[in-house]
Amino acid sequence: NAGVTQTPKFQVLKTGQSMTLQCAQDMNHNSMYWYRQDPGMGLRLIYYSASEGTTDKGEVPNGYNVSRLNKREFSLRLESAAPSQTSVYFCASTLTRVEQYFGPGTRLTVT
Amino acid sequence: AQSVAQPEDQVNVAEGNPLTVKCTYSVSGNPYLFWYVQYPNRGLQFLLKYITGDNLVKGSYGFEAEFNKSQTSFHLKKPSALVSDSALYFCAVRDSDRGSTLGRLYFGRGTQLTVWP
Repeated sequence: NAGVTQTPKFQVLKTGQSMTLQCAQDMNHNSMYWYRQDPGMGLRLIYYSASEGTTDKGEVPNGYNVSRLNKREFSLRLESAAPSQTSVYFCASTLTRVEQYFGPGTRLTVT
Repeated sequence: AQSVAQPEDQVNVAEGNPLTVKCTYSVSGNPYLFWYVQYPNRGLQFLLKYITGDNLVKGSYGFEAEFNKSQTSFHLKKPSALVSDSALYFCAVRDSDRGSTLGRLYFGRGTQLTVWP
């Protein structure tokens, strides 16, 4: 039982490049979330998905898109990366909409 | 609107001493409250939660938290700190209303706990 997995663990992009962060969970959870963590800012919600086929914007959605590919997978795409998107990205999931379970994170640097 | 405040960026305590990490919250309805811990270069791990019932909640690794509705606080405590407790701690809140924001959590900025030997 792997829980929540994220790929890649690390990534360096140049400004303007695109990439997709992958997230998968094997706990049969309905809801999935993408957060970014910046020093002194806590975690801020980017997008979330209540169930397969639905997505909604969170607190900081600009510059990102998401896809809920199926119940297991929820990807986050940066179409044109900017230095302000340098951050650590966490995916999370929940079954009961109570406690959330987090992946190990992706550390992204945009130069 | 929901929000969480962790008034201390850093808490330092000697091993064996009791520790407290503070959290206050603001929520429109009845709160669901959580504490998470993050070790260096790792994801967040769930420690404990308050949904309803006893105001003193016990969680993982000997941690507990006290819910105080009148003070809108949910402080994390441990009677005897260990060096291995050193980590970043996050308080989070969500509204208990089933229709609200699909289980979205609001996090505080985090408190770095350092336990020195």
